[in-house]
Amino acid sequence: SQTIHQWPATLVQPVGSPLSLECTVEGTSNPNLYWYRQAAGRGLQLLFYSVGIGQISSEVPQNLSASRPQDRQFILSSKKLLLSDSGFYLCAWSSSEATGNEQFFGPGTRLTVL
Amino acid sequence: GEDVEQSLFLSVREGDSSVINCTYTDSSSTYLYWYKQEPGAGLQLLTYIFSNMDMKQDQRLTVLLNKKDKHLSLRIADTQTGDSAIYFCAEKEAGTALIFGKGTTLSVSS
Repeated sequence: SQTIHQWPATLVQPVGSPLSLECTVEGTSNPNLYWYRQAAGRGLQLLFYSVGIGQISSEVPQNLSASRPQDRQFILSSKKLLLSDSGFYLCAWSSSEATGNEQFFGPGTRLTVL
Repeated sequence: GEDVEQSLFLSVREGDSSVINCTYTDSSSTYLYWYKQEPGAGLQLLTYIFSNMDMKQDQRLTVLLNKKDKHLSLRIADTQTGDSAIYFCAEKEAGTALIFGKGTTLSVSS
């Protein structure tokens, strides 16, 4: 069966510090991968998605970047965090072969920037 | 552009039925989804419906789709306190992305 992992679960970082959040998927090959942010009291905002190694699409201009160094690894990064980067970050995957594009989410990372 | 709208809150008593409503704008959406998010957790896919269907039932969950009005609903029968969560409606736009609503917080009182 497929599983998706995210770490860390929680993170408190000062403004201006760098960020690296990691997401890995097990039990599937060539998944589509996604990073979402959920700000307090708001819905999900799609930040990045990737259909393959090294292929990253950005949905919104922002202070963050994403990379996919391996087939089942997706990394969200920032060189200098802003207060507005605080939120709940969710990684998700979907099968590149399924037509329904059901997305399956990881447990999330709670980021607080102080 | 595409948008998904949901009411923000719903409060029901244990044992009653809950109906969570959603409207979407992209008439070319092929799949529509319902996700559940419990406090501090990720999203759990509850069910989805293909756009050529009117209804889908899965145990206590019933999804109704009115494609003409672009209206989707999720009915939870015999609502339990464990059903308290945020419920997200989502539509599949062209390509791989899903568009999510802002979520409906369901509160179940005993």
